[in-house]
Order: sequence, then structure tokens, then C-alpha cells
Amino acid sequence: NAGVTQTPKFRILKIGQSMTLQCAQDMNHNYMYWYRQDPGMGLKLIYYSVGAGITDKGEVPNGYNVSRSTTEDFPLRLELAAPSQTSVYFCASRFTSGPTPNEQFFGPGTRLTVL
Amino acid sequence: GESVGLHLPTLSVQEGDNSIINCAYSNSASDYFIWYKQESGKGPQFIIDIRSNMDKRQGQRVTVLLNKTVKHLSLQIAATQPGDSAVYFCAENPLSGSARQLTFGSGTQLTVLP
Repeated sequence: NAGVTQTPKFRILKIGQSMTLQCAQDMNHNYMYWYRQDPGMGLKLIYYSVGAGITDKGEVPNGYNVSRSTTEDFPLRLELAAPSQTSVYFCASRFTSGPTPNEQFFGPGTRLTVL
Repeated sequence: GESVGLHLPTLSVQEGDNSIINCAYSNSASDYFIWYKQESGKGPQFIIDIRSNMDKRQGQRVTVLLNKTVKHLSLQIAATQPGDSAVYFCAENPLSGSARQLTFGSGTQLTVLP
């Protein structure tokens, strides 16, 4: 299994541009999450999904949108990028029926800079 | 709002010594806590978790202690190795919902000295 994969690894955007951060997992995990991590800080939850077709807001959802059309994919959309969205973005997944049902598995992250 | 916080932002230990990383939490309703390790340039990696009905849980070279009276969580790493150098985060689940939304602390940078 590849686990949780994220693309791109790095991206520079201009203010007002839009982009989609891709996240995929091949572990058949039902729950997926998007976090952002600002320098020297912990992770803050942006959006999460408990299954295909179901999404909900986390702590910091403003300026972002998500969709979950399949179990495997959970893209994060940034509309009208702002400098405040400069951060490292992590996607995570979790399998509630597995041996460690509370463990979230994280991807390698996408480093986004908005200039 | 309520949050998870750490006592020390950095910790340096000699290789072979034991490490103790501390974490304070403020939400007495939290029922689940996790420790994650994050190496430079990588995503967080699960280390160990503990439920609020426990006060101690052991893993391989790691032990998590939970003191609900003072809302304190600690991670003990035995015989610290160079590969243990990383940022360690504690996280709590402040809600009883099944989505297990986690609130993360700001992290402690552990440096293992030769």
C-alpha cells in the first residue's frame, strides 16, 4: 500500500489564484481529514469526512472547500488564495474498524506559499 | 477557547537517557489523547494513545501517563536514541463524536545529543 499520498509537494500561488490539493489513500479508510500546520505550531483541522458523500467543517474552514466523491480521494480546494493560507497542509485517514481505530495516518504534506 | 498546550517548547537529552515530554490540557471532557512524532519535512506519525479511563499505557520504549486531576499528560521515552529527535505533539479529542476531531498542541522539539 502507498498509504496516504498528497500532490503537489510544493506550490507557490499568487494572491487570488485558486488550486486543488490532492489527497488519496489506498487503505480503504472511511474517515479522512485535512489539516494545516503553520510554522512552529500544531495542526488545525480544516475539514473532515466520515465517508463518501459526507463532509463537515473543522476548526478553520474559511477559504477552503472539499468533496468526497469516492472513498479514496479527498481533494481540498482553495479559492482566491490569500497570504494567510501560506502553510503546510496535511491529509490524514483513519479506519474505524481496524486494529487501531483511533489512529490517523498522515500524508507527507503539501507546502503552499501565497505571494 | 480551550486548547492543548505544552510546558516546554524544546528539550535536549543525552543519548541513552530517558526523555519526558509534558502536555497540559484544559478540556476536562476530553476522553482520548494521542502522542504524535513529526520528523522534519514529514507528516505526523502515531506513537501511542490513551483513553481517559486509564492513567498509564506502555508501548515499545514509550509510556504515556495521564493525570486527570491536574489535566496533565506526559510521554516518557526510554533510552533515547538519535532517531527520536523530532517534534512531539500531544492531541486530545475534546468531543465525544465519532469523527475523532483532534486538537493539537504546539509541539516540543526533542534533540538527542551524542
